[in-house]
Amino acid sequence: DTGVSQDPRHKITKRGQNVTFRCDPISEHNRLYWYRQTLGQGPEFLTYFQNEAQLEKSRLLSDRFSAERPKGSFSTLEIQRTEQGDSAMYLCASSSRRDQLGTEGEKLFFGSGTQLSVL
Amino acid sequence: RKEVEQDPGPFNVPEGATVAFNCTYSNSASQSFFWYRQDCRKEPKLLMSVYSSGNEDGRFTAQLNRASQYISLLIRDSKLSDSATYLCVVSQGGGKLIFGQGTELSVKP
Repeated sequence: DTGVSQDPRHKITKRGQNVTFRCDPISEHNRLYWYRQTLGQGPEFLTYFQNEAQLEKSRLLSDRFSAERPKGSFSTLEIQRTEQGDSAMYLCASSSRRDQLGTEGEKLFFGSGTQLSVL
Repeated sequence: RKEVEQDPGPFNVPEGATVAFNCTYSNSASQSFFWYRQDCRKEPKLLMSVYSSGNEDGRFTAQLNRASQYISLLIRDSKLSDSATYLCVVSQGGGKLIFGQGTELSVKP
């Protein structure tokens, strides 16, 4: 499978625990995105990387959230001291500037997501 | 005000119907526009880009009105397989893409 992969698919945790998710993008893609989605809503932008550089982080993201992409390949998203409001689907996507559409838009390839449930 | 707004629906239509979805965006500097499709419990996938001159892909037609900051998607001759949530997506430059809340479509036999 050469698509975007995310691990784990499901995570159940107790409030206050830390969790970490992993995303492996399509190998030649240099951009990697994290989104969060709750039921009935569209994906909400969290952060994105170009290679290993984190270019933007949503103002909605609290200090409990941190993302890394140390070697410009896979990425991890960590949530510290989880809260019930963190329960959501966490989606990772990647894209390549070589596959540009429009002026600066890019085609995003999404992984299947990690469903987080905080009890 | 949300950056990208859509009518959440749901739209319930019979097979063969024509249905139109609307989307508005707040940032006049937005540069690129897309429609994504998301099936139940699946990840979003690109349906089509939206160009200023309007563009068509089979039964799907997308339109952009920059002056009104308005995007539309028209689906003709609806099929059962078109049932999904349709997400309006706006690029604000630099690679960041903002999604609307999605419009749910249910096509009935």
